[in-house]
Amino acid sequence: KNEVEQSPQNLTAQEGEFITINCSYSVGISALHWLQQHPGGGIVSLFMLSSGKKKHGRLIATINIQEKHSSLHITASHPRDSAVYICAAPNYGGSQGNLIFGKGTKLSVKP
Amino acid sequence: NAGVTQTPKFQVLKTGQSMTLQCAQDMNHNSMYWYRQDPGMGLRLIYYSASEGTTDKGEVPNGYNVSRLNKREFSLRLESAAPSQTSVYFCASSAEGTTEAFFGQGTRLTVV
Repeated sequence: KNEVEQSPQNLTAQEGEFITINCSYSVGISALHWLQQHPGGGIVSLFMLSSGKKKHGRLIATINIQEKHSSLHITASHPRDSAVYICAAPNYGGSQGNLIFGKGTKLSVKP
Repeated sequence: NAGVTQTPKFQVLKTGQSMTLQCAQDMNHNSMYWYRQDPGMGLRLIYYSASEGTTDKGEVPNGYNVSRLNKREFSLRLESAAPSQTSVYFCASSAEGTTEAFFGQGTRLTVV
């Protein structure tokens, strides 16, 4: 069973700051997912990556397969980035379906 | 393109009442999932269905039943609601061969 740990649990930043959220997992994977959950509750997929780096606008996701670690970065943060960010790794075996989820990082960006 | 549609969005039940949460996807996905999300915990799998006609228990199945009515629809039933089932419920689906999941908007359920 894959274990997924995220840090920090909560993060408060000032508008414009560079944000980093970390995710580590215990079992080698084929792809890691970053998801965003807005205060309204809906969950959307941000990235699915298996190596290197992906960028979408001000969001950058990186993964180091050897170290079993991924980071989500937000450049020039904005209050609209306030959300819960969740990483998820494939589940190998067990009864968790296809993904194991971290507990999430609650980001609050102040103007 | 609607994606994954869940109903209802909010529900309040009394202890012992029953209800069914509905989920439908229009992406022709084989796999569908029901999760619950509680404060301080990650999403936990209740039940999943790898294909039409099959269902399997997840991490926290007690107190729930599911039906994979057809390829599009996957419902979750609470036969006798308990306060411990107060949670936010998410339905999700994924295509065969990928772990990328698409989520519904969630159902906030309160059992009093």
